[in-house]
Amino acid sequence: AQSVTQPDIHITVSEGASLELRCNYSYGATPYLFWYVQSPGQGLQLLLKYFSGDTLVQGIKGFEAEFKRSQSSFNLRKPSVHWSDAAEYFCAVGSTGNQFYFGTGTSLTVIP
Amino acid sequence: KAGVTQTPRYLIKTRGQQVTLSCSPISGHRSVSWYQQTPGQGLQFLFEYFSETQRNKGNFPGRFSGRQFSNSRSEMNVSTLELGDSALYLCASSFSGGRYEQFFGPGTRLTVL
Repeated sequence: AQSVTQPDIHITVSEGASLELRCNYSYGATPYLFWYVQSPGQGLQLLLKYFSGDTLVQGIKGFEAEFKRSQSSFNLRKPSVHWSDAAEYFCAVGSTGNQFYFGTGTSLTVIP
Repeated sequence: KAGVTQTPRYLIKTRGQQVTLSCSPISGHRSVSWYQQTPGQGLQFLFEYFSETQRNKGNFPGRFSGRQFSNSRSEMNVSTLELGDSALYLCASSFSGGRYEQFFGPGTRLTVL
């Protein structure tokens, strides 16, 4: 069965520090992978997506993610975090069965 | 293009009542999905509609139902509300569903007293 795991429930980083949020997926075929961000009380905004091709994808707000098939991972990174990046981050996989699977999310706190 | 809109944004109901939430997808999108989000459970998939047909359904009781109209607008209904139904209900639209990215509305915050 398809699933998405975000092992870190909560992460705290200092402003200006680098960030990596982990995401592992379980999916039989080539996955379509996504990262979303949610600010408090808001809907989800798409940060970036991977369908095929270059395994390093660039997204909005300076985020990037790398698809590693051998590790079934799609980790999100940012070289220098800003206070406005504090939010909830969700990894998701889209399946050929017309379903979308979300991870449980990682809450990011940014310390000034 | 206008984004996904959801109405109302906030709703307060009492136990036993019913509620209807509305979602207007992005123009041209035929797939609409609904999610329940709570602090303890994260994003839980309710159902997905495509061209007026329910194509996928999550593991929710029959009190939760939905429909989609010919213009792709969708409604979600919850009957006999329970305290545990208090949540943020998110609607997402997609061109054809499945593997393609979903675009989310701002959500409807439902509080059941």
